[in-house]
Amino acid sequence: AQKITQTQPGMFVQEKEAVTLDCTYDTSDQSYGLFWYKQPSSGEMIFLIYQGSYDEQNATEGRYSLNFQKARKSANLVISASQLGDSAMYFCAMREPYGNNRLAFGKGNQVVVIP
Amino acid sequence: DTAVSQTPKYLVTQMGNDKSIKCEQNLGHDTMYWYKQDSKKFLKIMFSYNNKELIINETVPNRFSPKSPDKAHLNLHINSLELGDSAVYFCASRPGGAIGGTQYFGPGTRLTVL
Repeated sequence: AQKITQTQPGMFVQEKEAVTLDCTYDTSDQSYGLFWYKQPSSGEMIFLIYQGSYDEQNATEGRYSLNFQKARKSANLVISASQLGDSAMYFCAMREPYGNNRLAFGKGNQVVVIP
Repeated sequence: DTAVSQTPKYLVTQMGNDKSIKCEQNLGHDTMYWYKQDSKKFLKIMFSYNNKELIINETVPNRFSPKSPDKAHLNLHINSLELGDSAVYFCASRPGGAIGGTQYFGPGTRLTVL
């Protein structure tokens, strides 16, 4: 069963604007972690941000913030003030503590930032 | 300076050959992983080692065999390569502990089987 759902088609965003990438997840565990990774065209996987299931505050890392809505099981990534270098695939992932901390990934969102 | 490194970055080979991909991390992490990213960009866990002990072994053909000589290294050996093995293989590592720790990925190895 799919545990992480990212359904948005490819997105175009104007430089300097904000973009929100949707991610919903499915788990019956109380303790879990949510991650976002960026994969630019060069191929590497870059860690962006982490949210623990017990964290009461939404995580922020520079221009990245995670809009965590636990009851709705969503963990949307918000990128503020988009830059051309933000053009990439973005993957949402969930770590389950009882799965030996494996990461289950969503299918990714493609973002293209246009000048 | 590189945290998680993989060699080679590109690997082109013929069907039926045997090949290895090496992974090393200098982060002092206890746990290492192999993931496969298919042509549709979907990432899936293959294996995980914690302190040289295999802890995750997903439904992967037994032509794939991971080996961890020490906790800083996790290599992936693939026998009798098939066309469907063409993919990008990522190594990752994370700190130990029952819960916690971000997984950091290597640059990936693009395997092309002809």
